[in-house]
Amino acid sequence: KAGVTQTPRYLIKTRGQQVTLSCSPISGHRSVSWYQQTPGQGLQFLFEYFSETQRNKGNFPGRFSGRQFSNSRSEMNVSTLELGDSALYLCASSLGATGPNQPQHFGDGTRLSIL
Amino acid sequence: AQSVTQLDSQVPVFEEAPVELRCNYSSSVSVYLFWYVQYPNQGLQLLLKYLSGSTLVESINGFEAEFNKSQTSFHLRKPSVHISDTAEYFCAASSQGGSEKLVFGKGTKLTVNP
Repeated sequence: KAGVTQTPRYLIKTRGQQVTLSCSPISGHRSVSWYQQTPGQGLQFLFEYFSETQRNKGNFPGRFSGRQFSNSRSEMNVSTLELGDSALYLCASSLGATGPNQPQHFGDGTRLSIL
Repeated sequence: AQSVTQLDSQVPVFEEAPVELRCNYSSSVSVYLFWYVQYPNQGLQLLLKYLSGSTLVESINGFEAEFNKSQTSFHLRKPSVHISDTAEYFCAASSQGGSEKLVFGKGTKLTVNP
């Protein structure tokens, strides 16, 4: 069974640009969550999508947005990039069904560098 | 609101020594607890989880963690570490009730020296 796939693995952008990151969850998983990992702030929750709807949202500005498609693949978009957006962006998928919590499975991340 | 505190940012140990990585959580509701491991340039891998039942949970590679409700702790232990255990370890919590949001601690870098 293939794991969570994130593309691209590395990305270099300049301030003011926008970027789109992609995440393909494990087959059968309907929930996709996004996290930002930085040395200073650690791992912070961005948002979670389930069945094409945003179900949870973290405390990030509106420049950070996402969406989920009918095949559960998800994209995350960051507009007007700032130097502080440099981070490892991790995607995680889970079954997302109600009841006992299902553990999340993480991809290897996209490392975004802003120049 | 939930929070997770990992008390040590770095833990150096010698090979074959025991190790304990500490994690405390605070939450006004019941939580699920997890330990994840991250190797360089990789994502997070689930090490073990506590959902309910026995308070002692074990992983397949010799790690174990004990849920202590009175002390709100979920410390990770291994009786004898290997060089290959060198990695960063994250403790995380999520609320019971269906939310997929994980709240992570800052992480503990475990370095196993020969």
